[in-house]
Amino acid sequence: DAKTTQPTSMDCAEGRAANLPCNHSTISGNEYVYWYRQIHSQGPQYIIHGLKNNETNEMASLIITEDRKSSTLILPHATLRDTAVYYCIVRGDTGTASKLTFGTGTRLQVTL
Amino acid sequence: DAGITQSPRHKVTETGTPVTLRCHQTENHRYMYWYRQDPGHGLRLIHYSYGVKDTDKGEVSDGYSVSRSKTEDFLLTLESATSSQTSVYFCAISDPRGGGLAKNIQYFGAGTRLSVL
Repeated sequence: DAKTTQPTSMDCAEGRAANLPCNHSTISGNEYVYWYRQIHSQGPQYIIHGLKNNETNEMASLIITEDRKSSTLILPHATLRDTAVYYCIVRGDTGTASKLTFGTGTRLQVTL
Repeated sequence: DAGITQSPRHKVTETGTPVTLRCHQTENHRYMYWYRQDPGHGLRLIHYSYGVKDTDKGEVSDGYSVSRSKTEDFLLTLESATSSQTSVYFCAISDPRGGGLAKNIQYFGAGTRLSVL
C-alpha cells in the first residue's frame, strides 16, 4: 500500500471550511484514497473515499489532484463536533480482507 | 456504532491473567478485525477474520489469539496478560458484498480500555 503523509495538527475556526491535505506520491493506479476520523475516545469513523474524481457526500468533499499524488478532505462548515484526528489511507482491492494501515493522522482542532 | 458491541468496555487485570475481549455484530458482515491503539502509534491491526473459523495475523499478533465460531462473534484472548498489552482495543467489521472495495470501509466499535497492572 502507498505511504501517506499528513500534517500533525491543524486549527480551524467554527463555520469555516477545514481543508486537510494528504500526500500519497507513491499511489498506484488501482489504489483508492480513504478518509476516516476518530473523535476523542471513540472508534474511527469512515468519511469518504475516491479514486480520481472528486467526491462529495453528506459529511465532506474529497478533492484528488489529477496526478493522484495528493488529496484534500474538505469539511465545508466545520463545527466543534468535527474536532478529531483525521486519517488518510490508501488501499486497493487486494487480499482477502482489508488490512488498513492507520498512521498518526492530522489532529484537527475547531475553535470558536 | 453500526451494530457492533464490545465487551467489556473497561477492564483492569493483573499480569499473567488470561483475558478475553468480545466483539459482537448484528450486521452479518463477513470480515472482522481487532486493533489496538496506543499513544503515538495510531491503530495497529492485531488479528482479523475473513469468515467463520478463518483468521489470520496482523502486524502485532504476538501474545494474542482469536477465535470466530459464529459470524457475529469475534473473540480476542490474551493468554497471559502483560503490562505492554495495556491499551485501547477496537473491533471493526467490513463486508465485501458491496463490491471488492467495500471491504475497505470498516465500521468500528466503541472500544475496550484494558489496563494490565
